[in-house]
Amino acid sequence: QQQVKQSPQSLIVQKGGISIINCAYENTAFDYFPWYQQFPGKGPALLIAIRPDVSEKKEGRFTISFNKSAKQFSLHIMDSQPGDSATYFCAASNWANNLFFGTGTRLTVIP
Amino acid sequence: EADIYQTPRYLVIGTGKKITLECSQTMGHDKMYWYQQDPGMELHLIHYSYGVNSTEKGDLSSESTVSRIRTEHFPLTLESARPSHTSQYLCASSAGARDEQFFGPGTRLTVL
Repeated sequence: QQQVKQSPQSLIVQKGGISIINCAYENTAFDYFPWYQQFPGKGPALLIAIRPDVSEKKEGRFTISFNKSAKQFSLHIMDSQPGDSATYFCAASNWANNLFFGTGTRLTVIP
Repeated sequence: EADIYQTPRYLVIGTGKKITLECSQTMGHDKMYWYQQDPGMELHLIHYSYGVNSTEKGDLSSESTVSRIRTEHFPLTLESARPSHTSQYLCASSAGARDEQFFGPGTRLTVL
């Protein structure tokens, strides 16, 4: 059973556009929601993370929006750049669990 | 840059061979993990460790085994490799269960 559902599977965005990736979860005990970025040939690296006591967290061009009642969270990449082309994974956990990863979104930013 | 290393980066072997994938970290992290990542991108946790002499099975059943004799070292062993083991194997570590996980570059294993 997929603990974290992620969509879309792939995304193509023009340079300067907004990239949006969505995730949903069922386990209300989850209280930590990170996003990881993976470039080809590399391991994933933490991009940004949020805890459910806030509805939004912004770091530069990257923003996480969190909707606790809907059990959904999303990653917004503003002014997307070709260098943002990578695979993005959402994840969720609580104190008792390891991270559960989404299935990944392959983002391509076209110059 | 995370100080977590995996060797080899690429490995092509024949069926039935015994292999060990190495993973080392220099950050002094207690918790370490092994993930299997298929070409479809999804990450599956196959093993983890809370610290020395601790090993646990992850969410995805795996025929591999792990050991944790030293804090910095978390090798994964396949006693008899099969084509179904062909995949990428990622090692990660974290200071605690809900701290940032730092990933190694991965080992891409192909079993012929």
